[in-house]
Amino acid sequence: DTGVSQDPRHKITKRGQNVTFRCDPISEHNRLYWYRQTLGQGPEFLTYFQNEAQLEKSRLLSDRFSAERPKGSFSTLEIQRTEQGDSAMYLCASSASAQGMDEQYFGPGTRLTVT
Amino acid sequence: GEDVEQSLFLSVREGDSSVINCTYTDSSSTYLYWYKQEPGAGLQLLTYIFSNMDMKQDQRLTVLLNKKDKHLSLRIADTQTGDSAIYFCAEKEGYSTLTFGKGTMLLVSP
Repeated sequence: DTGVSQDPRHKITKRGQNVTFRCDPISEHNRLYWYRQTLGQGPEFLTYFQNEAQLEKSRLLSDRFSAERPKGSFSTLEIQRTEQGDSAMYLCASSASAQGMDEQYFGPGTRLTVT
Repeated sequence: GEDVEQSLFLSVREGDSSVINCTYTDSSSTYLYWYKQEPGAGLQLLTYIFSNMDMKQDQRLTVLLNKKDKHLSLRIADTQTGDSAIYFCAEKEGYSTLTFGKGTMLLVSP
């Protein structure tokens, strides 16, 4: 078990460009979460999937953001027409169950810098 | 709405105990968590407590929960320099996602 992996680890892009991040959860985990963390803040929830179904989206997830988990395994998060305010660490987490303690295992994150 | 507050910074000497405090507003929280984040790394779950408990001990870690005051604390005994990191308190209500505080930076000096 290699844990949750994210790719790329760092991304620098110009304002207005589109970017896509990938998350590979722990293999037997059916729940996958995306969070955003800016400097000096805790992670803020963006969206989550139960298998391939996207069950909840935060108000933070504007129309420029879209997430998919087509086969219930890896997930992608796309940001269209990036803005400087999108600069942040994007964290992915996975868990085995929604019930009970529901331990979420976090990946190392993708740091996005929009210039 | 949900809100989790933490003090921003704590400095201790190696060997001392560290106490990190957290307050939350959602009285229907079911689980409360402590996560650790080291530079350049993802979040690591340290410990958690179910809302019907008032204390949980796990090796050097002790979690105290005062549900009436909505106050949670994490005590680290015999703090080591390797404990230097940012510690996040988080709450979970029902089946929903986690709400994190802004984190407390713990600096342990030799």
